[in-house]
Amino acid sequence: GQQVMQIPQYQHVQEGEDFTTYCNSSTTLSNIQWYKQRPGGHPVFLIQLVKSGEVKKQKRLTFQFGEAKKNSSLHITATQTTDVGTYFCAGRTGGGNKLTFGTGTQLKVEL
Amino acid sequence: NAGVTQTPKFRILKIGQSMTLQCTQDMNHNYMYWYRQDPGMGLKLIYYSVGAGITDKGEVPNGYNVSRSTTEDFPLRLELAAPSQTSVYFCASIAGTAYNEQFFGPGTRLTVL
Repeated sequence: GQQVMQIPQYQHVQEGEDFTTYCNSSTTLSNIQWYKQRPGGHPVFLIQLVKSGEVKKQKRLTFQFGEAKKNSSLHITATQTTDVGTYFCAGRTGGGNKLTFGTGTQLKVEL
Repeated sequence: NAGVTQTPKFRILKIGQSMTLQCTQDMNHNYMYWYRQDPGMGLKLIYYSVGAGITDKGEVPNGYNVSRSTTEDFPLRLELAAPSQTSVYFCASIAGTAYNEQFFGPGTRLTVL
């Protein structure tokens, strides 16, 4: 079945440093979504990418979808303590009704 | 709108007991999903529904059952609880097509002892 892996599993950064998490799928995706889950909370939708090579920005967050639509990345510039949480990618194949979630990257930001 | 609500928030079960996790959404969403999240892990799809009366298995359906008699409600039934079912359970719903964002409930933390 479809597998979606994320690296790294954990990342500790000092406040102000940049952070990147990478998402890799075993199959070509029709679209990819990113979610953020704060400690003890539930996943919250951040963004969706659909087109090959697509890049979207939300303030300090930059999302990319690979040319082959099998990988994606989330980059945070100048991290803040409010960025703490686990970031998940989630991909969909074909016209299916299901998302396959990645393994997640847990981000900790130290002052 | 209350969004997606789940009850209970916490529950401890003994091995072999059964229970129903409730999920309700007031956004008139057709698509609803049940996930489990084990500590430090991603979300695994248990069951999903594309509308009232229609359900389908996800990645990890064994030991669970669902029903969807109304658009609003999507309960998850655990029969014969086992320690392996200790997890946090999230319900989610989508408006419109399955390509839209998922709205998650606050989760139910279940421990089976």
